[in-house]
Amino acid sequence: DTGVSQDPRHKITKRGQNVTFRCDPISEHNRLYWYRQTLGQGPEFLTYFQNEAQLEKSRLLSDRFSAERPKGSFSTLEIQRTEQGDSAMYLCASSLVLTGSSYEQYFGPGTRLTVT
Amino acid sequence: DAKTTQPTSMDCAEGRAANLPCNHSTISGNEYVYWYRQIHSQGPQYIIHGLKNNETNEMASLIITEDRKSSTLILPHATLRDTAVYYCIASYSGGGADGLTFGKGTHLIIQP
Repeated sequence: DTGVSQDPRHKITKRGQNVTFRCDPISEHNRLYWYRQTLGQGPEFLTYFQNEAQLEKSRLLSDRFSAERPKGSFSTLEIQRTEQGDSAMYLCASSLVLTGSSYEQYFGPGTRLTVT
Repeated sequence: DAKTTQPTSMDCAEGRAANLPCNHSTISGNEYVYWYRQIHSQGPQYIIHGLKNNETNEMASLIITEDRKSSTLILPHATLRDTAVYYCIASYSGGGADGLTFGKGTHLIIQP
């Protein structure tokens, strides 16, 4: 399977703990996005990378959220000091972006986080 | 990105064409219309996108009105596996600095 993969698929954590999620994009894709989806809502954009550069992070929900893409391949999303309100599905997507062209995003299966 | 408006839910009989409408009256001239769908507990799936012309691929057809203020996604022969939430999104390229702006979409239920 050469699609976007995310790990873990499910995570249960206690309030106050830190969690880290991993996303492996489609191999030749140069852009990677993170979204959050709460129950009954559409996905909400958080941040994105062009290769290893994080070009937009103002939409991260708080300073407890951070993301990295150290070598322009896989990415991690970390939430520090989790709160019950962080319970949601965290989605990763990737795209191959060529100058002047429109493109589509390919989404992974998501990581469902439950904070108890 | 321009705001889009979709019906909350729709039903369609299996084997029939499903026609999903979307209004985007404030769309800019260089904004594309994108459609994604999300089957329960899965990540969204890209379906199709277009700028001005009608588009067709193996999954669906996209009909955009001449004034570009609305569009219709057509699933020609709906199956039970097409039951999902369908999102219509206006985007300049496919999701740059603002990502894709998802609304609540249309919950399409295919009836046997």
